Amino acid sequence: DAKTTQPPSMDCAEGRAANLPCNHSTISGNEYVYWYRQIHSQGPQYIIHGLKNNETNEMASLIITEDRKSSTLILPHATLRDTAVYYCIVRALMYSGGGADGLTFGKGTHLIIQP
Amino acid sequence: NAGVTQTPKFQVLKTGQSMTLQCAQDMNHNSMYWYRQDPGMGLRLIYYSASEGTTDKGEVPNGYNVSRLNKREFSLRLESAAPSQTSVYFCASNRGTGLGSNQPQHFGDGTRLSIL
Repeated sequence: DAKTTQPPSMDCAEGRAANLPCNHSTISGNEYVYWYRQIHSQGPQYIIHGLKNNETNEMASLIITEDRKSSTLILPHATLRDTAVYYCIVRALMYSGGGADGLTFGKGTHLIIQP
Repeated sequence: NAGVTQTPKFQVLKTGQSMTLQCAQDMNHNSMYWYRQDPGMGLRLIYYSASEGTTDKGEVPNGYNVSRLNKREFSLRLESAAPSQTSVYFCASNRGTGLGSNQPQHFGDGTRLSIL
């Protein structure tokens, strides 16, 4: 799976849009971009994923650049409850066999929503 | 819906003791996973099960064994606990069958394990 690079921390004012960047310059054609978040002391929570088109659900939007080398997770109206560590993960759809079928978590971005 | 349920939530063991961490999901998912998370780190995969009756090693399997008891339940066993196994353990499941699946994983709230 391709590596990802995220800023270690970010601040955002409550009520504003939070834009979390992720670089994945070595991504290959069959790899999806996933976003999870982990609120303190809880298990990771799935947010959204996409291949090459922009995606939107009730939680967030995912913008993937045309060359797919980077993406941005957008929380449109951040609240205090969105304070969490956000993980950007790149994962191939198909495995050639012999590899572990799991998610590779980096250190993520600690997003702090300020009142 | 309960989703993914892990028991116990907290446990303290002495070095050399054994223990089984339990995980159950009620979403009829095929695949189940065990991860560990050390302070300030991301999660690392210990073992996974792509379907009932199959298990495979992940990134850090040493010192652990697993059992996929049925489709709902996937347990993690520490035969002889060591201080290096002090961690938070997360179980996850997803609908796919491992290979060829892009389904998201759903996580439990973890078991906090301390080995003295």
